[in-house]
Amino acid sequence: EVQLLESGGGLVQPGGSLRLSCAASGFTFSSYAMSWVRQAPGKGLEWVSGISGNGHSTYYADSVKGRFTISRDKSKNTLYLQMNSLRAEDTAVYYCAKDRGDSNWYFDYWGQGTLLTVSS
Amino acid sequence: SYELTQPLSVSVALGQTARITCGGNNIGRKNVHWYQQKPGQAPVLVIYRDSNRPSGIPERFSGSNSGNTATLTISRAQAGDEADYYCQVWDSSTSFGGGTKLTVL
Repeated sequence: EVQLLESGGGLVQPGGSLRLSCAASGFTFSSYAMSWVRQAPGKGLEWVSGISGNGHSTYYADSVKGRFTISRDKSKNTLYLQMNSLRAEDTAVYYCAKDRGDSNWYFDYWGQGTLLTVSS
Repeated sequence: SYELTQPLSVSVALGQTARITCGGNNIGRKNVHWYQQKPGQAPVLVIYRDSNRPSGIPERFSGSNSGNTATLTISRAQAGDEADYYCQVWDSSTSFGGGTKLTVL
């Protein structure tokens, strides 16, 4: 059974940093691209970043480019999102999502999300 | 990024057919995917590559894509189909539509 478990969310001050993690199980982690998708309170879905199965290719939404870094650790079956220079508009539930293949860029499994609140 | 336009809300009578549209420039040339999201839950993929259903998704859910409009069709709508629905495409980056709230009357 595929499982994705996000962690690392919390309350951060504007300008601060935080790293999200997503522990994956139930599939061959390195064979699938992964993405982070966020949802601000009461709003729609916004894709944040994606990474290929081998980790060599990364992609970012314009809204986070230069501030966020996606990475993955094959040995730990874990996806990460390093978030720097956080802004109030980054407040959202962050979902980890598994690609249906390697870089098909649609998502057949999602975690339950972790909430990031950026506020002073 | 590629812009996708969805109606804010769609209503359907119980047992009838609901159609949710997703508009985009020449969207018919792209692969469109659809997600269902119920309150407090993560999204669920219901249609991929325009018209394909993942395992476990009822046959009542179908999709089409042509020209400038993709459509998610839900036949014989049930109360349990009430949810937000999002279309999504890849066009150098991933774009989601704004979402459509489906109400089953």
